[in-house]
Amino acid sequence: ETGVTQSPTHLIKTRGQQVTLRCSSQSGHNTVSWYQQALGQGPQFIFQYYREEENGRGNFPPRFSGLQFPNYSSELNVNALELDDSALYLCASSPGSYNSPLHFGNGTRLTVT
Amino acid sequence: RKEVEQDPGPFNVPEGATVAFNCTYSNSASQSFFWYRQDCRKEPKLLMSVYSSGNEDGRFTAQLNRASQYISLLIRDSKLSDSATYLCVVTFNTGGFKTIFGAGTRLFVKA
Repeated sequence: ETGVTQSPTHLIKTRGQQVTLRCSSQSGHNTVSWYQQALGQGPQFIFQYYREEENGRGNFPPRFSGLQFPNYSSELNVNALELDDSALYLCASSPGSYNSPLHFGNGTRLTVT
Repeated sequence: RKEVEQDPGPFNVPEGATVAFNCTYSNSASQSFFWYRQDCRKEPKLLMSVYSSGNEDGRFTAQLNRASQYISLLIRDSKLSDSATYLCVVTFNTGGFKTIFGAGTRLFVKA
């Protein structure tokens, strides 16, 4: 059974640029959610995709957008990067039931300079 | 008010101690409740789900009080390997699905 994989592991971008982060969900999981975790804080919910549709969104501006593909992998896109976007971005997959636990990838560390 | 609030910590305890973590949530429509553990520079991992009747897994006991909107985690006979950040997690589906994490409580278990 393949777990959740994220790429890249580290990324450095300049303010104003755009970034795309990728996530492959665990086999058999049709739901993917994305989180932003700043140092010393808990993960903040960005959004969730279920069967290619966004079905939940946290308090993030529209410049944070995403996609889920037919194989249930997912992308997180962030436009017009700001310094405060520097964080660990975590992707998690689950089998779709609301009470199913999340399986996280190792995360992508994004630094915006 | 934050949607999920936890004890700020950190907690410093000796091996063998019993330690309790507390968590409150603001959305009365919350559906599911979990405790996750996160080691330094690692991803969160599920410790246990929390059920209305309370549940136990070895040295770990979780309780849920829906009336008070309160969740707890008790660790008995603490081990050095229990040192980590413990995250309280709540899900709800009002105007869209959300999974909300608390800020976490750091635990240091000392020899």
